[in-house]
Amino acid sequence: EAQVTQNPRYLITVTGKKLTVTCSQNMNHEYMSWYRQDPGLGLRQIYYSMNVEVTDKGDVPEGYKVSRKEKRNFPLILESPSPNQTSLYFCASSLLAGSEQYFGPGTRLTVT
Amino acid sequence: DAKTTQPPSMDCAEGRAANLPCNHSTISGNEYVYWYRQIHSQGPQYIIHGLKNNETNEMASLIITEDRKSSTLILPHATLRDTAVYYCIVRVAILMKTSYDKVIFGPGTSLSVIP
Repeated sequence: EAQVTQNPRYLITVTGKKLTVTCSQNMNHEYMSWYRQDPGLGLRQIYYSMNVEVTDKGDVPEGYKVSRKEKRNFPLILESPSPNQTSLYFCASSLLAGSEQYFGPGTRLTVT
Repeated sequence: DAKTTQPPSMDCAEGRAANLPCNHSTISGNEYVYWYRQIHSQGPQYIIHGLKNNETNEMASLIITEDRKSSTLILPHATLRDTAVYYCIVRVAILMKTSYDKVIFGPGTSLSVIP
């Protein structure tokens, strides 16, 4: 089944403890992206990747890192999480930049 | 800032057509109009997209005005399962590998389908 998977789906952590949210797609898509969603602010893009080894900042990249070492995976790294990074995170992929995106199920992160 | 504006909420009677408007007055000639929807806190779901012609698929129809400054998503026979937040966004249609492709979602329209 063609899909975007994210792990973990739920995570509660403490301030400063490094964490990684994984994202994987099995559709051979070139483009992948991370978003966060907060009440009243909608979906905001964090980082995107046009292809392997090519990443760029979205609207809210501060406090996040990404890497794209292989086509199918696009992990989101929080080196030192803070409470303002408590949010619902979505990973998405599309065949090419500019084409329709397929979203993962979301990861609900709470930083205390 | 979002490149599109949508009404914050709409109601529609079950079985009737739901017409969701979107303004994108600053759209460029090489930008598509995309529609997605999000049910509760699930991942957004792609619905339809178009460049300048009207489009139809099994989910919806998309009507784009001739000047491309606005569009309407039509759900022909709304059901309770269509209750969701609907997002209209614009994206550059053709990109080279080194091009810029930031995606901006606005707050969307919360559609409530009423029995």
